[in-house]
Amino acid sequence: NAGVTQTPKFQVLKTGQSMTLQCAQDMNHNSMYWYRQDPGMGLRLIYYSASEGTTDKGEVPNGYNVSRLNKREFSLRLESAAPSQTSVYFCASSSPIGRQAHQPQHFGDGTRLSIL
Amino acid sequence: SQELEQSPQSLIVQEGKNLTINCTSSKTLYGLYWYKQKYGEGLIFLMMLQKGGEEKSHEKITAKLDEKKQQSSLHITASQPSHAGIYLCGAAMDSNYQLIWGAGTKLIIKP
Repeated sequence: NAGVTQTPKFQVLKTGQSMTLQCAQDMNHNSMYWYRQDPGMGLRLIYYSASEGTTDKGEVPNGYNVSRLNKREFSLRLESAAPSQTSVYFCASSSPIGRQAHQPQHFGDGTRLSIL
Repeated sequence: SQELEQSPQSLIVQEGKNLTINCTSSKTLYGLYWYKQKYGEGLIFLMMLQKGGEEKSHEKITAKLDEKKQQSSLHITASQPSHAGIYLCGAAMDSNYQLIWGAGTKLIIKP
């Protein structure tokens, strides 16, 4: 079982360049998430999609856009990369059962992004 | 996030010894998750706690949530090199889908 797949695994960009991080899950989950992980700060939510067709801002959405292409795929786009966006990016998915229940999120292996 | 404090930041333990990692919130939690991350890899789900006083175990790892649902501990018994990594706690603060995360505890096991 593939679970959550992220591409690419590594990327180096120059300031001002754009790129899209891809994420796909094969667990038929409704909800998908994009996080960034920086040293000493844990995970911070960038955007999430509670279900196909919806997206919402998380804690740190500035400088990013997302697209929930279908139930399986959720992409993150950096339109004009900045050095402050150097980080490790994780995609996750889960399938909450009702609005009062929480289920574990399943994570991809991450994309290590450096902006020069 | 300052809403979820994780301690200690790092821990070096002799193989075979026990250890405890803590995760504390100033607010009542809807749910508390423990994950493990190996260097350069994604997060692996360990356990989820939702009820006050709940305790769960898997192999040599036990997680507890206090009665007030504001503090959780992760206890490893007879640590092994395979336990090394970064442990993160994540918490649901309300009924929506977002989780708040602790900064992580880096665990090193000395042979």
